[in-house]
Amino acid sequence: GAGVSQTPSNKVTEKGKYVELRCDPISGHTALYWYRQSLGQGPEFLIYFQGTGAADDSGLPNDRFFAVRPEGSVSTLKIQRTERGDSAVYLCASSPSGASTDTQYFGPGTRLTVL
Amino acid sequence: AQRVTQPEKLLSVFKGAPVELKCNYSYSGSPELFWYVQYSRQRLQLLLRHISRESIKGFTADLNKGETSFHLKKPFAQEEDSAMYYCALEGITGGGNKLTFGTGTQLKVEL
Repeated sequence: GAGVSQTPSNKVTEKGKYVELRCDPISGHTALYWYRQSLGQGPEFLIYFQGTGAADDSGLPNDRFFAVRPEGSVSTLKIQRTERGDSAVYLCASSPSGASTDTQYFGPGTRLTVL
Repeated sequence: AQRVTQPEKLLSVFKGAPVELKCNYSYSGSPELFWYVQYSRQRLQLLLRHISRESIKGFTADLNKGETSFHLKKPFAQEEDSAMYYCALEGITGGGNKLTFGTGTQLKVEL
């Protein structure tokens, strides 16, 4: 079946602009994760959804970052007033239920560049 | 706080040579540890997890709680093993398995 998909694959924006990044998880997966990967670093956790609710948003760096998953499927990561330091690859992952025995399946990522 | 350390950014070996990718962790509880791999132009994918005690593509990893290590090993490197490898630790939060990753090691297998 289809894996996790993310759109756009690349996004270039100017400092101060608003961006939205979309994630389509594997059908039926209730758990959804967002990670951010800066150059030369491993992925860093941002937020975890179980169904429609954000069960853990402790990784969001500040209040410019916000994510939603209104119907428990597609999720959108929203970044307001973008800064150059927000430039990174944003990864989405999903798993069947969020259980520790689950495997997280990653999408291809969205490369965000803030000029 | 949980932390994963991969001391080598790049590891270069010849085909047929043994491979060991180092991973050390710090975690106050009982850790769940993983190795993820990213081949060129592909997405990040799970290679193996310690609770499965399995060998995937000839790779194994043993959890050493005394040394807080989870090194990835393969006796004979193959050219197709060239990739970026990330060690990750799972921290239970709100019912979900949030992953903490190391900075990764680029493995290059030379002919």
